[in-house]
Amino acid sequence: SQTIHQWPATLVQPVGSPLSLECTVEGTSNPNLYWYRQAAGRGLQLLFYSVGIGQISSEVPQNLSASRPQDRQFILSSKKLLLSDSGFYLCAWKGDRATEQYFGPGTRLTVT
Amino acid sequence: AQSVAQPEDQVNVAEGNPLTVKCTYSVSGNPYLFWYVQYPNRGLQFLLKYITGDNLVKGSYGFEAEFNKSQTSFHLKKPSALVSDSALYFCAVRVLRGATNKLIFGTGTLLAVQP
Repeated sequence: SQTIHQWPATLVQPVGSPLSLECTVEGTSNPNLYWYRQAAGRGLQLLFYSVGIGQISSEVPQNLSASRPQDRQFILSSKKLLLSDSGFYLCAWKGDRATEQYFGPGTRLTVT
Repeated sequence: AQSVAQPEDQVNVAEGNPLTVKCTYSVSGNPYLFWYVQYPNRGLQFLLKYITGDNLVKGSYGFEAEFNKSQTSFHLKKPSALVSDSALYFCAVRVLRGATNKLIFGTGTLLAVQP
């Protein structure tokens, strides 16, 4: 069966520090991968998606970047965090022929 | 523009009573519709989807949803609510952009089931 992992689970970082969040999927190959941010416990905003290694599409201009160095690994990064980067970050995957996405457990980021 | 709306921020229901969480959509073409549930500090869990076929779709944990094309709605239902159903529920619609499909989510509805 397929599983999706995210780490760390929680993170507290000062403004101006770098960020690296990691997402990995097991039990599938060539998944579509997604990064979402959930602010204020409600709305989900799609940040990035990837259909293959090295292929990244950005949904909104922002202080963040994404990379996909391996087939089942998706990384969300920032060089300098802003207070507004605080939120709950969710990674999701979708099988090549599937329609629904499956979400990881999330990372709670607090920028102080 | 393609969108999905959840008109209720919160729904309160007594345990054992039927529940409905509302969702309406606006898309071009045939809609692919989804419901997800989120418990506090957790990721979203997939509940059910409508692609084609029967308008009544059954999903996990006893939930079902009714697709109504004329009303452009996809309401989530359960015949008898449990306290453990209390959570945040999201409706979503698939959007096709080239070779990639993405989901647009509603703003979520908090379901509170009172014992």
